[in-house]
Amino acid sequence: SAVISQKPSRDICQRGTSLTIQCQVDSQVTMMFWYRQQPGQSLTLIATANQGSEATYESGFVIDKFPISRPNLTFSTLTVSNMSPEDSSIYLCSVVDWDSVTLYEQYFGPGTRLTVT
Amino acid sequence: AQKVTQAQTEISVVEKEDVTLDCVYETRDTTYYLFWYKQPPSGELVFLIRRNSFDEQNEISGRYSWNFQKSTSSFNFTITASQVVDSAVYFCALSGISSGSARQLTFGSGTQLTVLP
Repeated sequence: SAVISQKPSRDICQRGTSLTIQCQVDSQVTMMFWYRQQPGQSLTLIATANQGSEATYESGFVIDKFPISRPNLTFSTLTVSNMSPEDSSIYLCSVVDWDSVTLYEQYFGPGTRLTVT
Repeated sequence: AQKVTQAQTEISVVEKEDVTLDCVYETRDTTYYLFWYKQPPSGELVFLIRRNSFDEQNEISGRYSWNFQKSTSSFNFTITASQVVDSAVYFCALSGISSGSARQLTFGSGTQLTVLP
């Protein structure tokens, strides 16, 4: 299975600033996603990170607020811009690792706990 | 559209009791995958199982078992002889397959399981 690391693991930031979260996978993967988990809530997909092209954002999320890069098949970044306390969440990177047409596994990184003050 | 419902918000049991976590899903895809993840207090999402929509066989892994019933769109998870270490939030999730590509995961709201000693 793919091993995923995220940096930073946690951070406390002031409102109005931006934070870039990195996701590194130990092998090439087909798909990478970014999720948000607000306190006490379930996971919500922010966007699909597309290699070499613009990310595909879900309803309610926009590129200006959450710019995403994916320069290759093993790395992606998510930036949380102009942060407010409402952005305090765990941000998780997720990857899909295709074994074959009929099999795939989806794994999650350890998450980045963001607190905005 | 995809939807996953976990009606049980919180469950509390005494150690060694059996407990079943319910999951009901909705999807228009004829091919899809169902997942269960465990999120302990540390916050990391732990992959437990993936089930293909074509495979309705129940699965057992140690103290864990899963009951997939396509007729009722349910994918329930049972922990036998629960232990304190099973205390966590458990998420059921769904991913449809469209044109050979996986859709993003849709998560249920999660069930907080507390196992008391």
